[in-house]
Amino acid sequence: GAGVSQSPSNKVTEKGKDVELRCDPISGHTALYWYRQSLGQGLEFLIYFQGNSAPDKSGLPSDRFSAERTGGSVSTLTIQRTQQEDSAVYLCASSLGSQTGANVLTFGAGSRLTVL
Amino acid sequence: GEDVEQSLFLSVREGDSSVINCTYTDSSSTYLYWYKQEPGAGLQLLTYIFSNMDMKQDQRLTVLLNKKDKHLSLRIADTQTGDSAIYFCAERPAGNNRKLIWGLGTSLAVNP
Repeated sequence: GAGVSQSPSNKVTEKGKDVELRCDPISGHTALYWYRQSLGQGLEFLIYFQGNSAPDKSGLPSDRFSAERTGGSVSTLTIQRTQQEDSAVYLCASSLGSQTGANVLTFGAGSRLTVL
Repeated sequence: GEDVEQSLFLSVREGDSSVINCTYTDSSSTYLYWYKQEPGAGLQLLTYIFSNMDMKQDQRLTVLLNKKDKHLSLRIADTQTGDSAIYFCAERPAGNNRKLIWGLGTSLAVNP
């Protein structure tokens, strides 16, 4: 697609429920990133996918968080047993994934998650 | 460890120049970036600079890089109300294509 598409744009859920957030990256972008942005905070790295390599999951805050990327394209971030501290905007970005050059990230508009 | 720092707020009058500053700690950084985030939107790349450059200009935007002091600045000439947004500085350490190191963002308010 023309840009990075994320859905849902807004999600309100009850504490303890599971949520799935979807990211559709730019066609041809081999790298995909998930970030979390809490109110008044910067960007917190969650996970990174690059081609067929094993994902870098070092930023996932707990084992309630997981992500997958099927067919090297669409990615789903799953949060199980949501907690109120999970409330944030979840941003997805993609890039060409080049080792050289600027490798600019293109961001989606984000999914705002509110856990009641 | 790696760190990027920015002042949190800046207020300017419409038509004035804005200067947003950023300091970083990793001297091996290869690229440094400025992203803009408008309310309710994702981040949008404004510009980037390669570490062997000390200045880059693009229309109203001027980026200055002082590698010795590890200081990056973004100057916006003739600031407009549409420039009101949060501006993020980020660096890409050498050898690590994965995780950019981000500042917390500077919230720019442009007053008419």
